[in-house]
Amino acid sequence: DGGITQSPKYLFRKEGQNVTLSCEQNLNHDAMYWYRQDPGQGLRLIYYSQIVNDFQKGDIAEGYSVSREKKESFPLTVTSAQKNPTAFYLCASSRVEGMAEKLFFGSGTQLSVL
Amino acid sequence: RKEVEQDPGPFNVPEGATVAFNCTYSNSASQSFFWYRQDCRKEPKLLMSVYSSGNEDGRFTAQLNRASQYISLLIRDSKLSDSATYLCVVNRRSGGYQKVTFGTGTKLQVIP
Repeated sequence: DGGITQSPKYLFRKEGQNVTLSCEQNLNHDAMYWYRQDPGQGLRLIYYSQIVNDFQKGDIAEGYSVSREKKESFPLTVTSAQKNPTAFYLCASSRVEGMAEKLFFGSGTQLSVL
Repeated sequence: RKEVEQDPGPFNVPEGATVAFNCTYSNSASQSFFWYRQDCRKEPKLLMSVYSSGNEDGRFTAQLNRASQYISLLIRDSKLSDSATYLCVVNRRSGGYQKVTFGTGTKLQVIP
């Protein structure tokens, strides 16, 4: 089945540690995104990539880094510079239909700080 | 002012009731609109696109009012399984890419 796979489902980070969240898609979509969701809040864009080897900062990129070496993969690293990393992280890819960008999401990673 | 605004709810309705949510957007250049459904601690899933002419999918009807800059979602004959958070999503062109903005969601609780 085609889809987006995020791993791990739950991740714990110690103070000062970098952690990497995995996102893989086999939908052949060019664009991929990382969002963060806090309880009772909407989705906030961290980074996005429209094509391989290119990515752009979203609204809350500080403390995060990404890479896009392959079309299928868009890993997110939460660095020690991100002082409040506890959140639900969602990866998405999209396809364009007409003028619309339709997003499809992975099942998410819940990151918590120990 | 937020680019996309929704009443967070919760909307508590009895089974079988009809319920409607609105979502307002501030940028008149917005081009396309969607409703997503999100269950607790799960990923959002596309529910339906929203067109000016209105569109219906079973018990769900979505409508766009460009003049007043809002979209709506109507759910008829509510089921327990409709309990979820409904996210309004707005697309517009910005700096050469499609900017996708999510509302904070409206929580619906259908009660037996």
